[in-house]
Amino acid sequence: KAGVTQTPRYLIKTRGQQVTLSCSPISGHRSVSWYQQTPGQGLQFLFEYFSETQRNKGNFPGRFSGRQFSNSRSEMNVSTLELGDSALYLCASSLALSGAGELFFGEGSRLTVL
Amino acid sequence: ELKVEQNPLFLSMQEGKNYTIYCNYSTTSDRLYWYRQDPGKSLESLFVLLSNGAVKQEGRLMASLDTKARLSTLHITAAVHDLSATYFCAVDAGGSEKLVFGKGMKLTVNP
Repeated sequence: KAGVTQTPRYLIKTRGQQVTLSCSPISGHRSVSWYQQTPGQGLQFLFEYFSETQRNKGNFPGRFSGRQFSNSRSEMNVSTLELGDSALYLCASSLALSGAGELFFGEGSRLTVL
Repeated sequence: ELKVEQNPLFLSMQEGKNYTIYCNYSTTSDRLYWYRQDPGKSLESLFVLLSNGAVKQEGRLMASLDTKARLSTLHITAAVHDLSATYFCAVDAGGSEKLVFGKGMKLTVNP
């Protein structure tokens, strides 16, 4: 059974650019969540999608956005990149929207903003 | 706002020793998760604790949940070098965030 797949794994951008990250969940999982991991702030929740709808959102500026497609694949976009956006972006999938749904994480996309 | 605190944040221990690490959280929840992260890698699910008094064991690790005390423990028995990693607890409080993570505990097991 394939796990959560994230692409690209590594990328380098410059300030002001935008970036799109992709996540393919485990087959059959309909919920996709995104997290940002930095040494200073740790793991912070960005947003969650279920059935193509954003269900929950963390405390991030509007430059961070996402979407989910009918096949449950999800993308997140960060516009007008800032140096502080350098982080490991982790995608997680689960069967359930909330409650007892265990999260399964992908390998992450490591973004460096120069 | 749900807060999750882990302590200690750094632990260096010798192989063969036992130790318990703690995860406290600030609001009511009966769903707590433990994850392991190796350097440069993603998070690996270790335990899912879904009720008060839940206890789960896998190899040298045992996790428990006390929802009344809002506390989970992760006990390490006879540590080995392969357990060296960062361990995160995460709590689902059913709010606007999927899971709220603690800052993680970096464990180093020395020969």
